[in-house]
Amino acid sequence: GQNIDQPTEMTATEGAIVQINCTYQTSGFNGLFWYQQHAGEAPTFLSYNVLDGLEEKGRFSSFLSRSKGYSYLLLKELQMKDSASYLCAVSGAGSYQLTFGKGTKLSVIP
Amino acid sequence: SAVISQKPSRDICQRGTSLTIQCQVDSQVTMMFWYRQQPGQSLTLIATANQGSEATYESGFVIDKFPISRPNLTFSTLTVSNMSPEDSSIYLCSAGGSDSSSTTYGYTFGSGTRLTVV
Repeated sequence: GQNIDQPTEMTATEGAIVQINCTYQTSGFNGLFWYQQHAGEAPTFLSYNVLDGLEEKGRFSSFLSRSKGYSYLLLKELQMKDSASYLCAVSGAGSYQLTFGKGTKLSVIP
Repeated sequence: SAVISQKPSRDICQRGTSLTIQCQVDSQVTMMFWYRQQPGQSLTLIATANQGSEATYESGFVIDKFPISRPNLTFSTLTVSNMSPEDSSIYLCSAGGSDSSSTTYGYTFGSGTRLTVV
């Protein structure tokens, strides 16, 4: 089976940096995804990591350590519009299916 | 990445009736999935929609309750049958697969269907 853990809620200040952690235990591994979901909307793809290391994409970066079963999403220069839920999802070996964590609700305050 | 049109966006249905949700993708995609998202919760996979064959259901979901069709690589439907208030949820389709280099997966979601059963 798959087990994915991430914090339930986080609060950060506009302009700051926030790191959202995700740990996973899976039967095999075929990649880790991060999605952003605003209330009432569909999830939006942010990043995909399959190899160890940091993937940078503008203000967002995602890191993966396969040996530790660990990933984080780093958001820089926070903006109010970044207030959303951030979902960590893992694809198991030999599978294209995604198993989602419960999501981290990020609140950006002035 | 693929763009998905999902409809209806929302519906209010009577107990005991059925609703069919459609997803149309603007390009041929390898994989299509159906998820359910309860209010304030994360996404739970219902099934993988297989082109030209029966869908593959996750534990707790059965074909009689959630029949799925996928006649081609760009279209799929999910039917919520014999609905009860417990079926009130957001239903999302997802599509995607490898890019041309076969090294990266990309999955996008439809806009979701907010179902309320009364």
